[in-house]
Amino acid sequence: QSVVTQPPSASGTSGQRVTISCSGSSSNIGSNTVIWYQQLPGTAPKLLIHSNNQRPSGVPDRFSGSKSGTSASLAISGLQSEDEADYYCAAWDDSLNGRVFGGGTKLTVL
Amino acid sequence: EVHLVESGGGLVKPGGSLRLSCAASGFTFSSYSMNWVRQAPGKGLEWVSCIGDGGSGIYYADSVKGRFTISRDNAQNSLYLQMNSLRAEDTAVYFCAREGRDQGFDYWGQGTLVAVSS
Repeated sequence: QSVVTQPPSASGTSGQRVTISCSGSSSNIGSNTVIWYQQLPGTAPKLLIHSNNQRPSGVPDRFSGSKSGTSASLAISGLQSEDEADYYCAAWDDSLNGRVFGGGTKLTVL
Repeated sequence: EVHLVESGGGLVKPGGSLRLSCAASGFTFSSYSMNWVRQAPGKGLEWVSCIGDGGSGIYYADSVKGRFTISRDNAQNSLYLQMNSLRAEDTAVYFCAREGRDQGFDYWGQGTLVAVSS
């Protein structure tokens, strides 16, 4: 059981906007930056969002991140079939003195 | 171009040991913190350990503390993970990952599979 909670699944149709939530506590999300990763089937994870809401170069602006208190969200607009993947949030945890990942959300594009 | 290549995985019996390596190229290895992340079959990502750019700043997940040791050789551009007292629940693909300035893991290797079974 992860200390950072994500819904196990999410879905949307092509072109739609979907959001994935990430809920933590004061020791992780509440006091440290949130990172988001995308993992396509059979591949290594890819950095999607850092510093709560910053996109690395090459990541489409369809992807956006936000954080409020001890929760964070990843929004994907203009959903495309290639967005079908697992998405993970992560943050440093000051109590555990380590990085924590959310359990992951499997996104299905209907 | 940044490359991270893990090696050293394999099948090991419970209680056994393995040493994973991660060969880095395409960047100034000694300037970056490095991490190990694992993923059990069909499961999510689990952070394992990190080490600062100079070899200090070492942290472990509670699940591996006392059994795993992370180290690095900046002269050889290599990251290591010594895994002792292996358990079935350590079975996973182990990724090495570079930690960028913003704390995000911006480059990942392809992973190496560790299977612990009798």
